[in-house]
Amino acid sequence: RKEVEQDPGPFNVPEGATVAFNCTYSNSASQSFFWYRQDCRKEPKLLMSVYSSGNEDGRFTAQLNRASQYISLLIRDSKLSDSATYLCVVNEVGYQKVTFGTGTKLQVIP
Amino acid sequence: ETGVTQTPRHLVMGMTNKKSLKCEQHLGHNAMYWYKQSAKKPLELMFVYSLEERVENNSVPSRFSPECPNSSHLFLHLHTLQPEDSALYLCASSQSSGAPSYGYTFGSGTRLTVV
Repeated sequence: RKEVEQDPGPFNVPEGATVAFNCTYSNSASQSFFWYRQDCRKEPKLLMSVYSSGNEDGRFTAQLNRASQYISLLIRDSKLSDSATYLCVVNEVGYQKVTFGTGTKLQVIP
Repeated sequence: ETGVTQTPRHLVMGMTNKKSLKCEQHLGHNAMYWYKQSAKKPLELMFVYSLEERVENNSVPSRFSPECPNSSHLFLHLHTLQPEDSALYLCASSQSSGAPSYGYTFGSGTRLTVV
């Protein structure tokens, strides 16, 4: 089993739709979790951290399910500008043990 | 402006060449990283420097040689590379204490092509 697994997509959704991605991780000792966004041929940028209680930032909601070992990202009212690859990042203890998923590609279509 | 600057943005080199990638961060972070991103693969951690000391190298081939002269600068020296080393090389920085609660800040990357 991969350490961090994501559906590569692409997810093609119309503008205004709600879309959700999941990311599963194999190490139950993982401590912190993040979602990054990467535009085509650009560097990854931190989108949001994922907290145990779940957190929301505008149209974006991130949740953590430790029992089932996955995190999720929900995007409401999708915009064309949301088109990107979304990377799941899982950290064990310390900054050395950070694992990236391969990313889920989202394409929002007019 | 990301706060982490990488040069060059693009590099084409022959297998016998020697070149260096440069990274500079202006964020006051204590840890810096080199990552490799190949097509359809997750980011691979190559090297970690914390407070200018290397703490992880993940068994990277010796044809990649990092250097961290101070907490703001990081280099990746390249020599006798192979075509499979062609990839996007990303530099990142973070606070070094514990888990990077605020995540990494990445540079724009160097797209390397080995011919």
